[in-house]
Amino acid sequence: QQQVKQSPQSLIVQKGGISIINCAYENTAFDYFPWYQQFPGKGPALLIAIRPDVSEKKEGRFTISFNKSAKQFSLHIMDSQPGDSATYFCAASTRHNQGGKLIFGQGTELSVKP
Amino acid sequence: DAMVIQNPRYQVTQFGKPVTLSCSQTLNHNVMYWYQQKSSQAPKLLFHYYDKDFNNEADTPDNFQSRRPNTSFCFLDIRSPGLGDAAMYLCATMEVGNEQFFGPGTRLTVL
Repeated sequence: QQQVKQSPQSLIVQKGGISIINCAYENTAFDYFPWYQQFPGKGPALLIAIRPDVSEKKEGRFTISFNKSAKQFSLHIMDSQPGDSATYFCAASTRHNQGGKLIFGQGTELSVKP
Repeated sequence: DAMVIQNPRYQVTQFGKPVTLSCSQTLNHNVMYWYQQKSSQAPKLLFHYYDKDFNNEADTPDNFQSRRPNTSFCFLDIRSPGLGDAAMYLCATMEVGNEQFFGPGTRLTVL
């Protein structure tokens, strides 16, 4: 029940296209859902995050869509660029305001072709 | 302006030879985490400190220990590294309720 399932494992998108990565969870106590971007040899960096009281959050070309009833959330990257090529991890935590730990999805390796 | 600093960035050790990895932060965050990340896998939480309170994950091997002498520093000690411990070790910090900031990681090679 603590798992976060992420798909697809890898994704190839043409420059200018839309990249979509999906995550699903079972634990309804999760209260914080971040997305991390990781380049090879670097630590993960927070891209965007959402709380369950909001259905969508947009920051620039990045949008999280959140479906509480379906227990799913997704990352959309609009106008994908070669510089977006990286590994993306979704995550979730409970009691985030009390220092709850992150449960990571398995990761999606995104490649954006010029 | 590095906020979470990990040293060294690359560490080579021999099988069974103890090794210590270091993490420091300039953010004054009260929570510090150690993760292990193997190739093409998600980060795996080993343990974390909430202030001085140590929280060990149930599946973290006894071979891994940690120390947090003050707010700014946290150490990961691997007492007897095995070949399976070769990985990227990530330190992260967080002010409760906010985002986790990750360091650049230490790549550990075990010969």
